Amino acid sequence: DQQVKQNSPSLSVQEGRISILNCDYTNSMFDYFLWYKKYPAEGPTFLISISSIKDKNEDGRFTVFLNKSAKHLSLHIVPSPPGDSAVYFCAGKGATNKLIFGTGTLLAVQP
Amino acid sequence: ETGVTQTPRHLVMGMTNKKSLKCEQHLGHNAMYWYKQSAKKPLELMFVYNFKEQTENNSVPSRFSPECPNSSHLFLHLHTLQPEDSALYLCASSQRTSGGYTQYFGPGTRLTVL
Repeated sequence: DQQVKQNSPSLSVQEGRISILNCDYTNSMFDYFLWYKKYPAEGPTFLISISSIKDKNEDGRFTVFLNKSAKHLSLHIVPSPPGDSAVYFCAGKGATNKLIFGTGTLLAVQP
Repeated sequence: ETGVTQTPRHLVMGMTNKKSLKCEQHLGHNAMYWYKQSAKKPLELMFVYNFKEQTENNSVPSRFSPECPNSSHLFLHLHTLQPEDSALYLCASSQRTSGGYTQYFGPGTRLTVL
């Protein structure tokens, strides 16, 4: 049973445009959601998080939106340079601080 | 060194070998984690250590044996592995006190079992 789902395995956007990455979850007990970026041959790097009591959090080029009623969150990246090409993971945090990750979305930013 | 480091970065071993993966965190954190990442699957949590005590074992086979001698170091001892254990093994750390929850990852060890 996958508690966190990233249904798009890949996404392609033009350089300078907005990238929107989506994530769905089933566990209503998650109290935080996190987004990570992963380049090949490196570990995941933390990008941004959002508390379940908020619906938006912004940090520089990254904005995360949370829709609790739909159990859906999205990460907006504006603008998107080619260096943003990577795999993006979303994760939900349960009560024991355990992170449950999605399968990731490969973002390809085309020059 | 800063952040979370892992050695070796790549490891090839036979099914009868014994090897160990090492993780070290330089962030002053008090919790450490082992994850397994297989192709096209989510990161799977294997073990959690808080203040050197193991608090979670996610039904991991006994051929994987973790060791946490102090809050900065974490080992994963491997013996009689199977080819399906080939994966990227990631270590992470976090600050469990003061409401901390963000986990910071090392670069991983790419393990191939022949």
